[in-house]
Amino acid sequence: NAGVTQTPKFRVLKTGQSMTLLCAQDMNHEYMYWYRQDPGMGLRLIHYSVGEGTTAKGEVPDGYNVSRLKKQNFLLGLESAAPSQTSVYFCASSFRDNEQFFGPGTRLTVL
Amino acid sequence: EDQVTQSPEALRLQEGESSSLNCSYTVSGLRGLFWYRQDPGKGPEFLFTLYSAGEEKEKERLKATLTKKESFLHITAPKPEDSATYLCAVQARASNSGYALNFGKGTSLLVTP
Repeated sequence: NAGVTQTPKFRVLKTGQSMTLLCAQDMNHEYMYWYRQDPGMGLRLIHYSVGEGTTAKGEVPDGYNVSRLKKQNFLLGLESAAPSQTSVYFCASSFRDNEQFFGPGTRLTVL
Repeated sequence: EDQVTQSPEALRLQEGESSSLNCSYTVSGLRGLFWYRQDPGKGPEFLFTLYSAGEEKEKERLKATLTKKESFLHITAPKPEDSATYLCAVQARASNSGYALNFGKGTSLLVTP
């Protein structure tokens, strides 16, 4: 089992460009999450999903959109990237309220 | 509002020198408290879940304990490979964010030979 995988691993964008981060899990988990991690801030929840076809906002959702068309995939989109979105993005999945399994992260720089 | 505070921010130990990391929390009904380990450039790796005061869990040189206000991660006779950032997170019983975790900022542990 690969667990939780994320693509790409690194990306550099210019302000105003768009991109999509892909998260995939092979553990048949219903719940999936997107977090961002910034120095001195800890991990913060962006959006989450409790099942295929459902999404909801987390603590810091502005500037991001998500989609969960298939149970195993959770996509995070940036429509118009801003320097404030420079961060490391982590996807996680879980079976209900059990421990969350995290992916390796995507390091995004917005110039 | 749920809050998680970890201390110290950074800790340097010599190999074999035991110590404890602290995680104090306020949450409107605790569903679970989670400990993760994060190595540089990698995602958090699950260590323990604690559910009720008095509970303890152990794994190799690590032991996690829980009270009604805080959790401790005890590291006994650490080795250099224990160097990492240790993250604490709480899951609230009445969360409106699925079962999302509220993380502390972490404790960066360095164990020197």
